[in-house]
Amino acid sequence: GEDVEQSLFLSVREGDSSVINCTYTDSSSTYLYWYKQEPGAGLQLLTYIFSNMDMKQDQRLTVLLNKKDKHLSLRIADTQTGDSAIYFCAESPHTSGTYKYIFGTGTRLKVLA
Amino acid sequence: GAVVSQHPSRVICKSGTSVKIECRSLDFQATTMFWYRQFPKQSLMLMATSNEGSKATYEQGVEKDKFLINHASLTLSTLTVTSAHPEDSSFYICSARDGQSSYNSPLHFGNGTRLTVT
Repeated sequence: GEDVEQSLFLSVREGDSSVINCTYTDSSSTYLYWYKQEPGAGLQLLTYIFSNMDMKQDQRLTVLLNKKDKHLSLRIADTQTGDSAIYFCAESPHTSGTYKYIFGTGTRLKVLA
Repeated sequence: GAVVSQHPSRVICKSGTSVKIECRSLDFQATTMFWYRQFPKQSLMLMATSNEGSKATYEQGVEKDKFLINHASLTLSTLTVTSAHPEDSSFYICSARDGQSSYNSPLHFGNGTRLTVT
């Protein structure tokens, strides 16, 4: 199947770290992506990782990739109230050469002050 | 960075009318744009792939006569919801990929259009 799974909710206290997990399905995905969606808005690209990498860090964001288990995670260090949003992972399997995205179910992150 | 502008951000229309949503790439040329639909508290569902100068490719279950897509230039794709009904009420989001970049470079998204059909 083409389901990309994420846990639906995550609640953390301000200043703590958040870890959002994602399980994808297609090993042909060259890149895997993390997007953030605030209420009523479109998607903002946060970061992405090439499939031959295990880890990528970008300021407060750290992406870990376990290709064997098809598991992707996003860690947000020092989580702030402004980080409250829905986070989507996405894979882009090479299907018919179009590299369409398949999005996860989204994780709603709530940051408590 | 790459900016995708989507208009209108919100529209309310009467049942039976048609609504056009525009998606523009402001600082890059997009040979391919994607149209998504998002139901409340759900993920994005790909509706169609819009290709500049050719017919759009629709996903299974999406009515091409209901959701007309036109991609007449390298910076503009439009989605027209024809004869809208209340069940078409949803959040529609477009995305685009820079045609100068790699074929699997990240997509950039518009801010979405909230359509309400009364």
